[in-house]
This record gives sequence, C-alpha cells and structure tokens, in this order.
Amino acid sequence: EPEVTQTPSHQVTQMGQEVILRCVPISNHLYFYWYRQILGQKVEFLVSFYNNEISEKSEIFDDQFSVERPDGSNFTLKIRSTKLEDSAMYFCASSVQTTGELFFGEGSRLTVL
Amino acid sequence: DAKTTQPPSMDCAEGRAANLPCNHSTISGNEYVYWYRQIHSQGPQYIIHGLKNNETNEMASLIITEDRKSSTLILPHATLRDTAVYYCIVRAQEAGNMLTFGGGTRLMVKP
Repeated sequence: EPEVTQTPSHQVTQMGQEVILRCVPISNHLYFYWYRQILGQKVEFLVSFYNNEISEKSEIFDDQFSVERPDGSNFTLKIRSTKLEDSAMYFCASSVQTTGELFFGEGSRLTVL
Repeated sequence: DAKTTQPPSMDCAEGRAANLPCNHSTISGNEYVYWYRQIHSQGPQYIIHGLKNNETNEMASLIITEDRKSSTLILPHATLRDTAVYYCIVRAQEAGNMLTFGGGTRLMVKP
C-alpha cells in the first residue's frame, strides 16, 4: 500500500540551528501538508502546498518556516533558526484532492536543545 | 468550522462494538463529519467521513443523526490494535484539508 515517508525519524539540534525535514508524498498526490504535534498537545495544521505554492498557512507558520518541493518527489519543511518551542513531532501529509482522505506519514520528531 | 465535543476517554472490551459519540450542534449544511484516529504517537489515520447519510467502510460505520447535530463512530468488533485517540472533525468540503484537531476520545480496548 502506498504511504507517505518522512526522514529523519528523529533529529536533535541546537537552538538557532537550521533544520530541514523531508517527506516523500504518495506519488499521484497533488496536495501536500505539514502538521505538528507538541508532546501531549493537539495536532496542529501548519501549511498546505499545491502547484508549487502555499495554498494555506496557519499563524504558527511564520517567517522562520518555509516549504519547498525541490524535485518531483520530495517535499521539505525548513525551520531557519530553531527555538526550544519548535520541539515537536512534525507530520507530513498528502492527498489526491483538497478534500476526502488525508494520508499522514509516521512523523519526524524534532528536539531542540 | 463547527466545534465538536467528544468524551475524553472510553473503554471497550475486545471483540465488542466500540461506539464513539461526537456532538457538533452548530454544524452547517455544507459541513462534513470526518473521523481520524492516532495510534500512540503515529501519524493520524483517516477512518471515514459523511455528510448526512450513514456510511460504512472496511474499518467502521458512521451514524449521523437526522438533525446532523451529533454522530457516532462504530468499530464493530474492537481489537487491542484499535486502542487510539479518535478525532471527530467537522469541515466544509470546499474548505480543504486544513483540519482542526481537538482533544479527541482516547479509546482503550481491554482484553
């Protein structure tokens, strides 16, 4: 069964460092998303991406965050200068359409020290 | 999006049906009810969605009341692997997949 894959599964970084989280969405999907979940808290929407541009973003997705689809398969989330409060599980997701089923990856755990 | 209310936790015996309620009394006519679940700290998993008719798939059944103010997700024969947090989300179809997750219901399936 096709799945969304994410790397790395866990990254530890120092505050202020740049981090790139990578995702390979399901191959025929056109819409891509990042969500995050701080430990013990709710899953929160960050950004949606379609046709090489951001379609929607939340208040969390500030200037420190960026997304990119550098080639035909990868979808990345960059955090320019990490803060302690960026520590969370980051989930990539993809879908065929803007509606219906959203497929999530297993997540990348980011720990900022 | 309409707000949803779910009980924070429920228990169910293995092999029995698990019935998870959700209240969405302010739901609008164009809003769908979606159910996702999250097993431990894995990525959320889509279960089912519906507008006003009852829906069934290989995982579960969704029963929506006639006034659409509440719904019930039914796992017909719960297994230990169904232990998870279950999220009821209301979303307009044209509003896309910017899902708002609440606290959900933590379902514990016990042997």
